[in-house]
Amino acid sequence: GAGVSQSPSNKVTEKGKDVELRCDPISGHTALYWYRQRLGQGLEFLIYFQGNSAPDKSGLPSDRFSAERTGESVSTLTIQRTQQEDSAVYLCASSPYGWGGTGELFFGEGSRLTVL
Amino acid sequence: AQRVTQPEKLLSVFKGAPVELKCNYSYSGSPELFWYVQYSRQRLQLLLRHISRESIKGFTADLNKGETSFHLKKPFAQEEDSAMYYCALSTLTGGGNKLTFGTGTQLKVEL
Repeated sequence: GAGVSQSPSNKVTEKGKDVELRCDPISGHTALYWYRQRLGQGLEFLIYFQGNSAPDKSGLPSDRFSAERTGESVSTLTIQRTQQEDSAVYLCASSPYGWGGTGELFFGEGSRLTVL
Repeated sequence: AQRVTQPEKLLSVFKGAPVELKCNYSYSGSPELFWYVQYSRQRLQLLLRHISRESIKGFTADLNKGETSFHLKKPFAQEEDSAMYYCALSTLTGGGNKLTFGTGTQLKVEL
């Protein structure tokens, strides 16, 4: 595809359920990022991948959050035992640059998660 | 720790009026700053970066290290400039860049 693709675009779940969010980066992009945007707030960094390793996962809010990436391809963000405060738009972005890159990220349209 | 502050949640101006979206940052290292924009029903995208010293869609932004600011300016606002604008600070982290975003300013250009 031409851009970063995220699925599902919308997810409504019940408190306590697990959810998986998927991100397909632009082909050839080595770097992949997950951000979270709660209503009325800025983008909150969650985790960064370079290839399939995660040099920086300092933004994951708790051990209920985890992410993995297959090579330089798809990434999944998993939230276990969801809580209402997890409700947010989860944005994925990719970049062709790694260390010392330009900082330009290409964003997906996001996955809107609502926890009832 | 790095931080980006955008003090205005909403900025409303008339078409043809000058626009200034404020951004201040705190970072102990050498900053790299960006403005991202999100138009209605579109994805977040890069508008401009300070290292390029470029003007995009009539917008410019100058890095002022003394005031730790990177305000976005345009002399004459157009209706199509209405959007959400985010200031972002890039810092190097374990092998790559991490962008720290501000909370965003919604720009509304009225006729």
